[in-house]
Amino acid sequence: DQQVKQNSPSLSVQEGRISILNCDYTNSMFDYFLWYKKYPAEGPTFLISISSIKDKNEDGRFTVFLNKSAKHLSLHIVPSQPGDSAVYFCAASPTGGSNYKLTFGKGTLLTVNP
Amino acid sequence: KAGVTQTPRYLIKTRGQQVTLSCSPISGHRSVSWYQQTPGQGLQFLFEYFSETQRNKGNFPGRFSGRQFSNSRSEMNVSTLELGDSALYLCASSLEGRPGQYFGPGTRLLVL
Repeated sequence: DQQVKQNSPSLSVQEGRISILNCDYTNSMFDYFLWYKKYPAEGPTFLISISSIKDKNEDGRFTVFLNKSAKHLSLHIVPSQPGDSAVYFCAASPTGGSNYKLTFGKGTLLTVNP
Repeated sequence: KAGVTQTPRYLIKTRGQQVTLSCSPISGHRSVSWYQQTPGQGLQFLFEYFSETQRNKGNFPGRFSGRQFSNSRSEMNVSTLELGDSALYLCASSLEGRPGQYFGPGTRLLVL
């Protein structure tokens, strides 16, 4: 069973607009969540994270929102730029950890059109 | 700082053989994790090493093993290779107490 789900395999937005990437999880033991970006032929790159004690974390153009009751998180990118085009992975870590035993979603391919 | 490096980048093996992959973490990072990425299953956690000890393990058979050396470099070994082991194997290192793992470029293994 897939404990971390990214239901949209792809998303296309115009440059300058907002990109919203969604992620759902089922395991209540997850309490730390991370987003990664991956370009072809490279490993994933850490973007931003959020602990379950928060509902929002912001870093520049990237904001992650967490809705614990709905077991849902989202990544907002504002404004979107063509260089943001990549596969975005949502990941979750169990209680007590932030970096280990990550469970990843299958990714969403974001395309930002100039 | 140099990033996470993995060798070799590409590897072709035949069924039944064994393979060893190597990972050098970012200097100062003592935690090293390994992941398998396939088109069907996505990124799946294999195991994590910290200070030469396996600290966490995913749901993979015993054919998959690893170790970590005193300099934090890590190796993973897959014995009795199967066709389904064809995948991109990613290594990631992290600093205790800081969020996020730093991934290497991966080793692409093809089993024929």
